[in-house]
Amino acid sequence: DQQVKQNSPSLSVQEGRISILNCDYTNSMFDYFLWYKKYPAEGPTFLISISSIKDKNEDGRFTVFLNKSAKHLSLHIVPSQPGDSAVYFCAAPLYGGSQGNLIFGKGTKLSVKP
Amino acid sequence: GAVVSQHPSRVICKSGTSVKIECRSLDFQATTMFWYRQFPKQSLMLMATSNEGSKATYEQGVEKDKFLINHASLTLSTLTVTSAHPEDSSFYICSARVGGGNSPLHFGNGTRLTVT
Repeated sequence: DQQVKQNSPSLSVQEGRISILNCDYTNSMFDYFLWYKKYPAEGPTFLISISSIKDKNEDGRFTVFLNKSAKHLSLHIVPSQPGDSAVYFCAAPLYGGSQGNLIFGKGTKLSVKP
Repeated sequence: GAVVSQHPSRVICKSGTSVKIECRSLDFQATTMFWYRQFPKQSLMLMATSNEGSKATYEQGVEKDKFLINHASLTLSTLTVTSAHPEDSSFYICSARVGGGNSPLHFGNGTRLTVT
């Protein structure tokens, strides 16, 4: 049973518009969430995170929103740029932040068209 | 910044042979490294946790005798896929954390293993 779900395998957005990537989770014990970005033939790189004590975290063009009651989080990229085209993974530590067992979603492939 | 280097990036081997994958932390010491695997259209899944100077801990369903992990120093962990079979073909990726708490994992670039 998937504990972290990214139901949209792909998303296409026009340059300059907002990209919204969604993630749902089932484990109510999760208290920290991370977004990773992955280009082809490269490993995932950390993008942004959020603790469950917050409902929003912003870093430049990237904002992550957390709705604990709905067990849902989303990553907003605005404005989207062609260089943002990549696969985005939502993840949560299974045993808390100090452990390496990140539970990943299957990823959403974002394509930003010029 | 912190860099995790993984080698090789791609390997093709024949069924029954063994393959060694190296993971190095380039500018920091990693007492713990994590090995993940990703099958096509699936999410990254943790295989095992590599601990410097002690035995690795394996996730449920991962055969420790097949996936040998050695963490001989604070900057190097190796994963050896022994007697590889076509079903072992996958994307293997290592990671390490700089600092504790909720500091994010840094990933290597992964190794694409194809067993023919």
